[in-house]
Amino acid sequence: GAVVSQHPSWVICKSGTSVKIECRSLDFQATTMFWYRQFPKQSLMLMATSNEGSKATYEQGVEKDKFLINHASLTLSTLTVTSAHPEDSSFYICSASIGAAAQNIQYFGAGTRLSVL
Amino acid sequence: ELKVEQNPLFLSMQEGKNYTIYCNYSTTSDRLYWYRQDPGKSLESLFVLLSNGAVKQEGRLMASLDTKARLSTLHITAAVHDLSATYFCAVDLKTSGSRLTFGEGTQLTVNP
Repeated sequence: GAVVSQHPSWVICKSGTSVKIECRSLDFQATTMFWYRQFPKQSLMLMATSNEGSKATYEQGVEKDKFLINHASLTLSTLTVTSAHPEDSSFYICSASIGAAAQNIQYFGAGTRLSVL
Repeated sequence: ELKVEQNPLFLSMQEGKNYTIYCNYSTTSDRLYWYRQDPGKSLESLFVLLSNGAVKQEGRLMASLDTKARLSTLHITAAVHDLSATYFCAVDLKTSGSRLTFGEGTQLTVNP
């Protein structure tokens, strides 16, 4: 099956610093990539949808300036949490979708656990 | 706004028993998905259900979809400890750009 690599898997940072998370589709070109956030014992909440070469579409309530998304190629999307604060601590998961829309199979990365001190 | 609700949220069962997890959604959906998540891990795709009456089975898990009732079920047969995980259903609309809306998740614990 298709593989999505997410890096890093775990990051601890100080409050006020920025953190970049990478999401790569290893063996396919992803038309669309998605970024989710998951708090402990809760479901996944979609943050934004990212298409290669265009601006990301953010969900309501997600701060565009705080969560910067760049989708530079069909195999790479990055999420930068700017000026991170403890309330940004969460599990961030990316997924990548192959172009054929009939089934919209999304392949998920392993996730990044962010802890902001 | 599309809403997805799962029931139950927590399920503790003994090995060898059967049980069903329910997933209700609020508006007509084009596709329904079931995922498994182990603690601290990402999501593993289990099933994709595309049409009314669709039934898929893999091992001890069987998923079905009733689009008229806006209901999907995930049936567990003769549970084993390895099935302990959190199970999510998710739905999407083609018109929404394939954005997934997830249910709250069902945390399943299978006891020996």
